[in-house]
This record gives sequence, C-alpha cells and structure tokens, in this order.
Amino acid sequence: DAKTTQPPSMDCAEGRAANLPCNHSTISGNEYVYWYRQIHSQGPQYIIHGLKNNETNEMASLIITEDRKSSTLILPHATLRDTAVYYCIVRVGRYQLIWGAGTKLIIKP
Amino acid sequence: GAVVSQHPSRVICKSGTSVKIECRSLDFQATTMFWYRQFPKQSLMLMATSNEGSKATYEQGVEKDKFLINHASLTLSTLTVTSAHPEDSSFYICSARGTSNQETQYFGPGTRLLVL
Repeated sequence: DAKTTQPPSMDCAEGRAANLPCNHSTISGNEYVYWYRQIHSQGPQYIIHGLKNNETNEMASLIITEDRKSSTLILPHATLRDTAVYYCIVRVGRYQLIWGAGTKLIIKP
Repeated sequence: GAVVSQHPSRVICKSGTSVKIECRSLDFQATTMFWYRQFPKQSLMLMATSNEGSKATYEQGVEKDKFLINHASLTLSTLTVTSAHPEDSSFYICSARGTSNQETQYFGPGTRLLVL
C-alpha cells in the first residue's frame, strides 16, 4: 500500500500562501493523491485530488511532481479559518483511503 | 460539493446500552458508505465499508457483532454500537461515495459518543 509522509506541523502568516508538502514515493501509476482537511471536532472536508497533472479549484492548487513521488498543496491566500489538520492520502484499492497523521497547519495573524 | 449529514451529533449513554448513528447523503445517491472512528489526537481509522443492499465489509480487528451496519437505501446507512462500553467512546464519522462522482468521498460532520 502506498504511504504518505507529511511534516507534523507548519505555521503560515495570514494572507500568505501556505505550501504543504507530501511525499508518496511508493505510489503506483493508477493511484490518486487526495487532500482533505479536518478542522477541530468536525468531519474531514474534501479539498482536491489529482493523478498526474496539476489541479486547481476554488480552494487550492495541487502540484504533483513529474515522477509522482511527491506533491504540494497550495492555499494561495491563507486565512485564520484555514487552521486545520491537512491530510495527504493515496487511495488504496478502488475506494479506500488510508489516513496518516497529517500536517497541523496554524495560520497566524 | 455533496452534503452528508449525521445524527445525532453528540450522544451520551450508559454502559451496556446500544446507540444508533445515522448517516445520510442529502443531495446524491451513495452506493458506498464508509464508517470511521477517531480517538483524540489520532487520525481516522476505517471501521467498515458498506454497499447498498449488501453486507458490510469490516476492517481487521473491528467486531461486526458489536458494530452493526445497515445500508438499506442509497441515501442512508446506520451504525449501531451494541452494548457500548467506555472504551467505545470516540468520534464516529461516516463518508459516502456517490454514483456520479465515484472517486471522491464526502464526509459527515461526525458523531461524538461518550459512554459513561
């Protein structure tokens, strides 16, 4: 099963771009990279996912390296409400998501 | 995005009682629903996967007779914690995968269970 490695915590100043890295060196060719976040005591919120190409939506951008062994989630203009634990997940099998420890992102005013 | 609800959001019960948690997909049909458990300061742990109209598939170490899952329709799955004990106190979260956007799971807000 592909595993992911993320830094346990990061700080970012409000209004700046938050760049969250993730390593998934054992990812296989047909496995997607998903990003979710979990604000304290709430259910996880879907952010974005991708396979090979970079992706962008209204919440964030996902940059995947050409060898697919790592990716970066970018929150372009972080706000205090973006403080959460961010999970980088590689989908296992057809539907299952294996959750790591995530990165606790703290946005500071 | 798709909306998933859970009920109740919080429940306190006495040891030995059973607790039912509902998970509903509000604006889409969910062929597959997932149940997770999360202990304080830990990540989500998958408990079981349920497909509409069939028996749930439980992860290793999860007792199927203790955590009863019913997925009777494309919009509703229930998790019943039978004979709950204090060690069952946790944050239970469901997610649903729709038929149209099959790659993405959408999560409910979670149910916090406290067994006294």
